[in-house]
Amino acid sequence: GAVVSQHPSWVICKSGTSVKIECRSLDFQATTMFWYRQFPKQSLMLMATSNEGSKATYEQGVEKDKFLINHASLTLSTLTVTSAHPEDSSFYICSARDLRRPGLAGSHTGELFFGEGSRLTVL
Amino acid sequence: KQEVTQIPAALSVPEGENLVLNCSFTDSAIYNLQWFRQDPGKGLTSLLLIQSSQREQTSGRLNASLDKSSGRSTLYIAASQPGDSATYLCAAPLRGGSEKLVFGKGTKLTVNP
Repeated sequence: GAVVSQHPSWVICKSGTSVKIECRSLDFQATTMFWYRQFPKQSLMLMATSNEGSKATYEQGVEKDKFLINHASLTLSTLTVTSAHPEDSSFYICSARDLRRPGLAGSHTGELFFGEGSRLTVL
Repeated sequence: KQEVTQIPAALSVPEGENLVLNCSFTDSAIYNLQWFRQDPGKGLTSLLLIQSSQREQTSGRLNASLDKSSGRSTLYIAASQPGDSATYLCAAPLRGGSEKLVFGKGTKLTVNP
């Protein structure tokens, strides 16, 4: 199946620093990628939709100035956590849709694939 | 607003048992539903995707059903194995066929040898 890769898989940083997480679609192009966040024992929550060549759209309650998203190419989206604080410590997962795959019934989308996730720990 | 609930939150069974994981969703106007597996500290592995036109979807020892009228889906695992131990997540579209997914909190399954 299609592969979505994230880097780094884990990162530890000091409070106040910025951290960049990459999400790559390895064998397909993705005009849209999605960033989720998962706190311990909680469900994944959608943070934002990354759109190639245009601004990301953020879900309610997610600070766009804190979580900067750049989708500069059809295979790469980056999430930068700016001025990270301990409460930003979480598991961040991206997903991308492969438009080559048969579309889901009733939708215009291809199948979604998820990355391995990036665990951020802010000290 | 779509909400997804999974019960039980955790389940421990002996090897070889058949088991059922439950998922319920509030907005039944969805075009599909997905089940994922998540190992500790890892990303998601897609297990089954059920279209609204289907009532069941099977992959190996896994069988997922979808009943939109009742807002429920079940994941049936046959002849469970220790390697099946993981957290199983159910995800429904935010609405219709949206690619934005709403996840349940998952069921943590432990299969004891």
